[in-house]
Amino acid sequence: AQKITQTQPGMFVQEKEAVTLDCTYDTSDQSYGLFWYKQPSSGEMIFLIYQGSYDEQNATEGRYSLNFQKARKSANLVISASQLGDSAMYFCAMREGATGGFKTIFGAGTRLFVKA
Amino acid sequence: KAGVTQTPRYLIKTRGQQVTLSCSPISGHRSVSWYQQTPGQGLQFLFEYFSETQRNKGNFPGRFSGRQFSNSRSEMNVSTLELGDSALYLCASRMTTGALLYEQYFGPGTRLTVT
Repeated sequence: AQKITQTQPGMFVQEKEAVTLDCTYDTSDQSYGLFWYKQPSSGEMIFLIYQGSYDEQNATEGRYSLNFQKARKSANLVISASQLGDSAMYFCAMREGATGGFKTIFGAGTRLFVKA
Repeated sequence: KAGVTQTPRYLIKTRGQQVTLSCSPISGHRSVSWYQQTPGQGLQFLFEYFSETQRNKGNFPGRFSGRQFSNSRSEMNVSTLELGDSALYLCASRMTTGALLYEQYFGPGTRLTVT
């Protein structure tokens, strides 16, 4: 069965430093996708970044990059130059299925605290 | 471009009642997915609709159902509410063609409390 594991319940980082949030996944599918979402205390899920299993380059979106290591089945999120507004819950997720319809499986999340 | 909207934002219901939640996707997005978020179970996929057809379903009992209209708006219904149905219900929309078809955008959620 497909599974997403986030082993860090909470993380602290100093403002302006980089931080890595860990995510490992398990799937037998050849075609899949990995996401990271941010959920501030307001509750809304904010899409951050997406990596397809066939993408050879690591995905980047501004200060966010996804360190995709397919053989290790890991998809860590790197946030560079942390800001106070980055304090939130972060979820790693995996797409199961393809263009005909898919569902997304989420990890338990990592709560990030950015210190001034 | 307006984001995903969900109504109502908050609901309080009694056990045994039923509830209908509504989701309007981003303009041009034809797929709508629903998720349940609870402290104990985390985020769980309920179902996905596009072209008015259910495309995928998660592991939830038949009390949870949904539908999609021709304008891509979707509703989710929960019948015979139980205390354990108290949760944040999130709706997400995405395109169904193009390079960005895997990017889902979430609404603010409906917080349902069952007493």
